[in-house]
Amino acid sequence: EDQVTQSPEALRLQEGESSSLNCSYTVSGLRGLFWYRQDPGKGPEFLFTLYSAGEEKEKERLKATLTKKESFLHITAPKPEDSATYLCAVRDNFNKFYFGSGTKLNVKP
Amino acid sequence: SQTIHQWPATLVQPVGSPLSLECTVEGTSNPNLYWYRQAAGRGLQLLFYSVGIGQISSEVPQNLSASRPQDRQFILSSKKLLLSDSGFYLCAWGRTRGGGLTVEQYFGPGTRLTVT
Repeated sequence: EDQVTQSPEALRLQEGESSSLNCSYTVSGLRGLFWYRQDPGKGPEFLFTLYSAGEEKEKERLKATLTKKESFLHITAPKPEDSATYLCAVRDNFNKFYFGSGTKLNVKP
Repeated sequence: SQTIHQWPATLVQPVGSPLSLECTVEGTSNPNLYWYRQAAGRGLQLLFYSVGIGQISSEVPQNLSASRPQDRQFILSSKKLLLSDSGFYLCAWGRTRGGGLTVEQYFGPGTRLTVT
């Protein structure tokens, strides 16, 4: 069965303390890995799409990377406003999306 | 620019009552459309998706149904709500590129449904 697993479930960082979030997947016919940011009570905000192993994308303090079985979201020198839940999802050949449960990030000033 | 609307924002309904949630997208044509449900503290569960008017794929057998009467309108319905239908319902549209696959996905603000 297709699965997406995110770790850790929760992460507490001090402002400026860099770290990485992990998203591992077992999906046949992977056609894209997606990262989102979700604030409490709101819909997810699209961040990145990655398609092939070795691909990297950056946006401000965030950088997403992809290998054959997992993706990492690196957060460099985070600020309190980066606190949110980060979700990853994979899309298969049939346009179906499978989401992980997310990593709740809390950045303390 | 594209925008996506959902309403209502919150809804409290008794068990056994009907449901209709609406989603509309502006600023794009022929988008892929999705309905998701998110339980508290959990990821998103895909309920339905549509690649065009009248074309609906159901992912989870349940008492919910979806319809796409117009290109940019997606409706989630139920004839009789269950307690287990409570949750945060999210609509999303997908930007496509060559072949109709979604390359980016944008979510609406969501509807918080409580079934009592």
